Amino acid sequence: QKEVEQDPGPLSVPEGAIVSLNCTYSNSAFQYFMWYRQYSRKGPELLMYTYSSGNKEDGRFTAQVDKSSKYISLFIRDSQPSDSATYLCAMTDDKIIFGKGTRLHILP
Amino acid sequence: GAGVSQTPSNKVTEKGKYVELRCDPISGHTALYWYRQSLGQGPEFLIYFQGTGAADDSGLPNDRFFAVRPEGSVSTLKIQRTERGDSAVYLCASSMQGTGELFFGEGSRLTVL
Repeated sequence: QKEVEQDPGPLSVPEGAIVSLNCTYSNSAFQYFMWYRQYSRKGPELLMYTYSSGNKEDGRFTAQVDKSSKYISLFIRDSQPSDSATYLCAMTDDKIIFGKGTRLHILP
Repeated sequence: GAGVSQTPSNKVTEKGKYVELRCDPISGHTALYWYRQSLGQGPEFLIYFQGTGAADDSGLPNDRFFAVRPEGSVSTLKIQRTERGDSAVYLCASSMQGTGELFFGEGSRLTVL
């Protein structure tokens, strides 16, 4: 079993919809949880960074961590075509481990 | 510039050749990471530095791969006797010590023919 599991998609949703992206993990030592966005032929950029279980909101983005279930989520409200990208979950206790990434397409 | 800079952006080489990839991190960032990303995959951890020393090199796939950061700033990833399977985008990232907030460069795309 890989340390971090993430459905690669692709996931296609209409503009304005709520998007839900998820990852599961196996290592209970992970303490910090992150979501990165990666556009084609670019490096990943940090979207959200959380430490504890619970929710964290930033504009249209909400990150959710459930340590008891080893499950993290990213919600995008009022999705826009410019949100079309690959979304990578990442987590760390020391080195930072990434999921495979989910390709998201927002259809105008 | 203020971001992480990687050179070259593209490198095409022949099987068996030696390659060096350079990373210039954000000024003041003590941690530096190297990742490798293949098409359709997430970044795969290779090595990370705290200052000049390699804090964790457990992701280096074999002894053909080596990385240095002699003055605690610029880092070079060195690949000996390249193989076709080494073809990938090599990403460098830096961060302030003790955070997971990585700032990535644009990557160096390596193609081994």
